[in-house]
Amino acid sequence: DAGITQSPRHKVTETGTPVTLRCHQTENHRYMYWYRQDPGHGLRLIHYSYGVKDTDKGEVSDGYSVSRSKTEDFLLTLESATSSQTSVYFCAISTTPGTYEQYFGPGTRLTVT
Amino acid sequence: GIQVEQSPPDLILQEGANSTLRCNFSDSVNNLQWFHQNPWGQLINLFYIPSGTKQNGRLSATTVATERYSLLYISSSQTTDSGVYFCAVWAGAGKSTFGDGTTLTVKP
Repeated sequence: DAGITQSPRHKVTETGTPVTLRCHQTENHRYMYWYRQDPGHGLRLIHYSYGVKDTDKGEVSDGYSVSRSKTEDFLLTLESATSSQTSVYFCAISTTPGTYEQYFGPGTRLTVT
Repeated sequence: GIQVEQSPPDLILQEGANSTLRCNFSDSVNNLQWFHQNPWGQLINLFYIPSGTKQNGRLSATTVATERYSLLYISSSQTTDSGVYFCAVWAGAGKSTFGDGTTLTVKP
């Protein structure tokens, strides 16, 4: 158990509304990540963070923003949700410096209607 | 970016059988991991294995980095082994590629 929680675990929202997902870790790991998983596929990186206020884009960052004001929390925001953002969102942390070895949270299932 | 191919895409076994899952990747990587996604959607870290061989109970993995492939061995399979097995590689913190997975069904 890598001590990662995500909230909410399930959410249904309407097109055009803002949505914020939260990832919380109980240890002070530097690297945190947000991924999305669509049916029948592996995960794709949205954004990642390498420290407080230090973030960078991943492969599928359009339509998403992130913030990290505390080491333990990494927030993912959909500024104006679209149906194409219906997905399962996973947060991950790297626990071993220099290896990028990752452990995943339980996921958040987001449905945009 | 780096391409990752997993084979086979689907595998059906009888309980007690052995299996080998393969992951081919197209370029040098810093990190390679195998994950099991159970039927409830939880992603379980099986191995961190950028090179070499590791074993954990009935599971073992080998990565030959110079030939750009990794193998996951499951011996004496159990119904609880069912799910999707993902191989993922990283060329840096922001450069990850997941394969599309192997769906394993173990029948009692």
